[in-house]
This record gives sequence, structure tokens and C-alpha cells, in this order.
Amino acid sequence: NAGVTQTPKFQVLKTGQSMTLQCAQDMNHEYMSWYRQDPGMGLRLIHYSVGAGITDQGEVPNGYNVSRSTTEDFPLRLLSAAPSQTSVYFCASRKKREWDYEQYFGPGTRLTVT
Amino acid sequence: GENVEQHPSTLSVQEGDSAVIKCTYSDSASNYFPWYKQELGKRPQLIIDIRSNVGEKKDQRIAVTLNKTAKHFSLHITETQPEDSAVYFCAAPSYNQGGKLIFGQGTELSVKP
Repeated sequence: NAGVTQTPKFQVLKTGQSMTLQCAQDMNHEYMSWYRQDPGMGLRLIHYSVGAGITDQGEVPNGYNVSRSTTEDFPLRLLSAAPSQTSVYFCASRKKREWDYEQYFGPGTRLTVT
Repeated sequence: GENVEQHPSTLSVQEGDSAVIKCTYSDSASNYFPWYKQELGKRPQLIIDIRSNVGEKKDQRIAVTLNKTAKHFSLHITETQPEDSAVYFCAAPSYNQGGKLIFGQGTELSVKP
């Protein structure tokens, strides 16, 4: 299994540009999440999905959209990039089990908005 | 929703000393508490977790303790080594938000040889 994969690894955008960060997992995990990581702020949840067709907001959803058309894929869209969205983005997935919350993270995407 | 507070934000110890990182949570329904380690430039990876039906769990040099009454849990690393240097994150699920996993702010641990 490849686990959780993310593309691209690095990206530079100009203010106002749009782009999609890709995330895929091959572990048949129901739950998928997007986090952003900024110095001193930890891992903050952006959006969340409990299964295909179902998404929900996290702590910092503004400026981001998501969709979950398949179990495997969970893309994150930036509609109009802003410098405040400069960050490292991690996608994560886990099984839907009451007793097992272990999340598996992707390798991350480092985004710079100028 | 769930709020997870983690302290300290930075921690420096001498090799061989012990390190303790503490977290508090707000959702009394939370019953699962993981700790993740993130090395520089890498993704976070689970190192240990504890469920609410036990008060302590050990795995070699690391241990986690849980106090459900006080709503706090701690990571203990004994006989620290330079390779323990990393950022450590605690987390807790928020049941009233569909089981989302909420992370603390992170602790940067530096082990000096």
C-alpha cells in the first residue's frame, strides 16, 4: 500500500491564484481530513469527511473548499490564494472505528503565497 | 467543541534526563488520547496512545498517563536520546463534532548530548 499520498510537494502561488491540493489513500479509510501547520499553532483542522459525499468544516475552513466524490480522494481547493494561506498542508485518513482513532498522515505540501 | 491545550511549547533536556509534556482537553466524552512525533521535515507519526479505560500505558522509554477527572494526560520520555529531538503533538477527539481529531499546539523537544 502507498498509504496517504499528496501532490504537489511544493507550490508557489501569487495572490489571487487558485489551485487544488491532491490527496489520495489506498487503505479504504472512511475518514479523511486536511490540516494546516504553522509555527506555534500546531495542526489545525481545515475540513473533514466521514465518507464519500459527506464533508464538514473544521477549525479554520475559510478560503478553502473540499469535496469527496470517492472513498480514495479528498482534494483541497484554494479559490483565491492569500499570503495568510502560506503553510504546510497535511492530509490524513483513518478507519471509522469507535476504538481506533489512529490517523495516517500524508507527506505534506509546502505552499507559499506571494 | 473540543479544545486541547499543550505545555510547554519548547523543552530542552540533557541526554539521559526525563522529559514530560502535558495536555488538557475540554470534551468530557473524549475517550482516546494519542501522541504524535514529527521529525524535522517529516509527517507526524503516532508513537503511543491511551484509551480512557486505563490510567497509564508504557512502551519501552515512553509512557502516557491519563487523569479523566482532571481532563489531562501527559507524555513521559525517560533516558532521553538525541534522536528523541522532534516536535510532539497530543490530540483528542471531539465527539460533538463527529469525532474530529483536535491537536494541541505542539512541543519542540531538544535533547542535548
